[in-house]
Amino acid sequence: AQRVTQPEKLLSVFKGAPVELKCNYSYSGSPELFWYVQYSRQRLQLLLRHISRESIKGFTADLNKGETSFHLKKPFAQEEDSAMYYCALSTGANSKLTFGKGITLSVRP
Amino acid sequence: GAGVSQTPSNKVTEKGKYVELRCDPISGHTALYWYRQSLGQGPEFLIYFQGTGAADDSGLPNDRFFAVRPEGSVSTLKIQRTERGDSAVYLCASSVGQYNEQFFGPGTRLTVL
Repeated sequence: AQRVTQPEKLLSVFKGAPVELKCNYSYSGSPELFWYVQYSRQRLQLLLRHISRESIKGFTADLNKGETSFHLKKPFAQEEDSAMYYCALSTGANSKLTFGKGITLSVRP
Repeated sequence: GAGVSQTPSNKVTEKGKYVELRCDPISGHTALYWYRQSLGQGPEFLIYFQGTGAADDSGLPNDRFFAVRPEGSVSTLKIQRTERGDSAVYLCASSVGQYNEQFFGPGTRLTVL
């Protein structure tokens, strides 16, 4: 069975500081990894996925199969980045998402 | 276009009652998912529909939970004999295509007293 672990519940940084949100997974096959974000009073939305290899809102994430990690990074945090972030794994097209417990990112002015 | 919608947004019921939660997916999305999110947890999978049929119901916790999607669009999650432990936010998502980008609804907050 697959599993997603987000080891921290809260990360608080000052504006302009670098951010790294950790995500580790366990799955014996080739997973698809995603980061979802939930801003205050908004619905859960996709931030980025590893197959796209793109940068969204300055965030990037690299799949490291050796370390089974998919950490989310941003070099300079902005106040509007404050939100709840969830790492998620899928085992293929049209399959369920397995989520981590999420981490609250708080960016202070 | 309109996103995924869910009704009601909030539902308060008493232990032992029956409830129905509705999900309207994005038009044309063939895949529909139900998740449950308890306080302090990430969403947990309940059931997945491809068209009208349940392709994976492995996440349903017990036989009090049932879901239907009779015409391949709107879905209803049904919970019988509700228990206090059923209190959670119930999320619906839909997707189409091979990349499994799931679009989520705003959720229904269920409170069982």
